[in-house]
Amino acid sequence: DSGVTQTPKHLITATGQRVTLRCSPRSGDLSVYWYQQSLDQGLQFLIQYYNGEERAKGNILERFSAQQFPDLHSELNLSSLELGDSALYFCASSVGRSGTPDTQYFGPGTRLTVL
Amino acid sequence: GDSVTQMEGPVTLSEEAFLTINCTYTATGYPSLFWYVQYPGEGLQLLLKATKADDKGSNKGFEATYRKETTSFHLEKGSVQVSDSAVYFCALSAYSGGYQKVTFGIGTKLQVIP
Repeated sequence: DSGVTQTPKHLITATGQRVTLRCSPRSGDLSVYWYQQSLDQGLQFLIQYYNGEERAKGNILERFSAQQFPDLHSELNLSSLELGDSALYFCASSVGRSGTPDTQYFGPGTRLTVL
Repeated sequence: GDSVTQMEGPVTLSEEAFLTINCTYTATGYPSLFWYVQYPGEGLQLLLKATKADDKGSNKGFEATYRKETTSFHLEKGSVQVSDSAVYFCALSAYSGGYQKVTFGIGTKLQVIP
C-alpha cells in the first residue's frame, strides 16, 4: 500500500459525458501528479501540482482540467469524453521539497471506460 | 528537454536467466535516476534509485548503476523468477524552475517463463 488513494477504481461512462477522478496523496506529500496510461501510448504525464499550485503541464488535452485543494487532495476532470480517453489514470504524490531526490508514490489507478 | 530512452519489449526470458534492460537519458544538470515496476493490475512502485554518479541502487536482487559518462542506468538481475514478470519503467527527476520534473521512459514488459 503506497498510501495514495484514488477513487473510483472503475468508471464506465458514455461519449460526451464528464467525469471527476479523485486522488488523496500520502500524508505529508505536497506534490501531486496525474498520468494517463493506455495500451498504445504508454505512460503519459498530464499535470503536476505543488501545494495547490499548478507546476507543470504535459500532454493534457484542453478538455481535461485538474486542481489541488487546500487539504492537498486533487481532482482530475475529464469532459466531452471520447472513446480514445479510455485508459488507466494514475495519481502519484511526492514530498516535493526542492533539493531532495523525490520518489513518486503511485495510487492504484482509476480505470475509465468510455462506451 | 529531458528524455529517457529504454528498450522496447516485450522481453521474454526463462526462469534463472540473466536480465538486462537498457536505459539511457538526456538531462541538463544532475538528475536522480529511478527504476519503477508495475505488476499486472497495479500502480507503479519504486524498485530502486540512484542520486549521483557512480551510485548503485539495488533491491530484490535488481541492480542499476548511475553512469554519467555514458548517461545510462541499465537494470540488471542475475537470475529472474516468474514473479518478476512485470513492466519496468526507467525515470529521471531533475529540479527546474524551482520544482521537480519527472520524466518516464516508455516501459519494458518482462515475461519470465518457467
